[in-house]
Amino acid sequence: GQQVMQIPQYQHVQEGEDFTTYCNSSTTLSNIQWYKQRPGGHPVFLIQLVKSGEVKKQKRLTFQFGEAKKNSSLHITATQTTDVGTYFCAGGDSSYKLIFGSGTRLLVRP
Amino acid sequence: NAGVTQTPKFRILKIGQSMTLQCTQDMNHNYMYWYRQDPGMGLKLIYYSVGAGITDKGEVPNGYNVSRSTTEDFPLRLELAAPSQTSVYFCASSYPGQGLETQYFGPGTRLLVL
Repeated sequence: GQQVMQIPQYQHVQEGEDFTTYCNSSTTLSNIQWYKQRPGGHPVFLIQLVKSGEVKKQKRLTFQFGEAKKNSSLHITATQTTDVGTYFCAGGDSSYKLIFGSGTRLLVRP
Repeated sequence: NAGVTQTPKFRILKIGQSMTLQCTQDMNHNYMYWYRQDPGMGLKLIYYSVGAGITDKGEVPNGYNVSRSTTEDFPLRLELAAPSQTSVYFCASSYPGQGLETQYFGPGTRLLVL
C-alpha cells in the first residue's frame, strides 16, 4: 500500500537556526498537506500543495512539492521557541484519504 | 462554531470491556475520519465516512466499528478492548471541494487499556 516516509524523526536546534523536514511517498500524490501538532495537542492544518513543483511561503515557513509529486519539504527559517512541535506531512490520493508520515519532532533551545 | 468535539477526553478500560468514543462536528462536513496515534508515531486511519450511511475501512480497522447515522456524528466503537488499543484517538472532518481537503481535528481521546 501507499507509504509516506518522513525524516528526520527528531531535530534539536538552537533558536535562530534553520530547520528542514523531508517527506517522500511511495506513489504519486494528488496533493500533500502539512500539519503541526503541539505537545499534548491535536494536528492543525498548515498548508496544502497541489501543483507539481509548487512552492508556498507562510512568513518563516517555506513549503515545496516535488516535480514528480512524490516528495515535499518544509523549511523554517530562524526558528523560534513557538515553532516547537511535531510536523507531519500527509499525502492525499483521489479518494480524499490522507496517509500521514511519522512526523518530525522539532525541539528549540532558547 | 465548536468545530470537532470528542468525548471523553480520557478513559481507562479493563481488557475485554467495551466503549464508544463520541465525535461530533458542526461544520456540515460530509467527510469524517477516525485516527489513532501511538506514542511518538504518526496517525493511522481506522475508519472513514463520506456521508451519512456510508463508512469504509482505513489502514487499521480491526477491533473497531463505526456508524454514521447523521452528518454531524461519527462514533467509534471498541467491542473487546485490548492493551494494543492503548492510544490517542483523533476524529477529523473535511469538506472536499474546490481542491482543498483540509482536515479539522478534534482534541482527541486518550485511552488506556489495562
